Amino acid sequence: DAKTTQPNSMESNEEEPVHLPCNHSTISGTDYIHWYRQLPSQGPEYVIHGLTSNVNNRMASLAIAEDRKSSTLILHRATLRDAAVYYCILRDAANTGNQFYFGTGTSLTVIP
Amino acid sequence: ETGVTQTPRHLVMGMTNKKSLKCEQHLGHNAMYWYKQSAKKPLELMFVYSLEERVENNSVPSRFSPECPNSSHLFLHLHTLQPEDSALYLCASSQDLARLASETQYFGPGTRLLVL
Repeated sequence: DAKTTQPNSMESNEEEPVHLPCNHSTISGTDYIHWYRQLPSQGPEYVIHGLTSNVNNRMASLAIAEDRKSSTLILHRATLRDAAVYYCILRDAANTGNQFYFGTGTSLTVIP
Repeated sequence: ETGVTQTPRHLVMGMTNKKSLKCEQHLGHNAMYWYKQSAKKPLELMFVYSLEERVENNSVPSRFSPECPNSSHLFLHLHTLQPEDSALYLCASSQDLARLASETQYFGPGTRLLVL
């Protein structure tokens, strides 16, 4: 799976939007972009995934750059419950094993 | 609530003990996984089961023994563990094997294991 780069940590004020960036300059045309998050003392939780088009669900939005070399996870209104480590993961449809490579992610702090 | 439950949530055991971790998924999925998460390290895949058959064993020591009696239940039997085995053990499931790039995995809350 191709490599992703994320900032180690970010802060956001409560009730404000949060934009979590992910760089994946070596992405291939068949790589899916997945986002998971892990709250303290819990297992990872699926957030969203996409291939080329922007995606929206009840948790977040995923904005994918036109060249697909970067993407942004958007939390529209941060709450204290959104404090977690956010992982950006690429999954290659052409060469995918069973494991998700989580990396070190971005630790999001939400300030009341 | 992800539909994947794990018990116990916390476990302390000595190096000579035998214990088992249990995972149950209520999602009707066909594939189940055990992961290990040590402090400051990425998740490590340990075992993969598809339709109750083990399909992957990532060089895990024999002191860890998985069992999948049916597609909803997964166990990890532990014996003669070492202190370095202390970690968060996570169970996950997916509709089918995660070889499909669009497949998502659903994780349980984990069992925090401390080996003394």
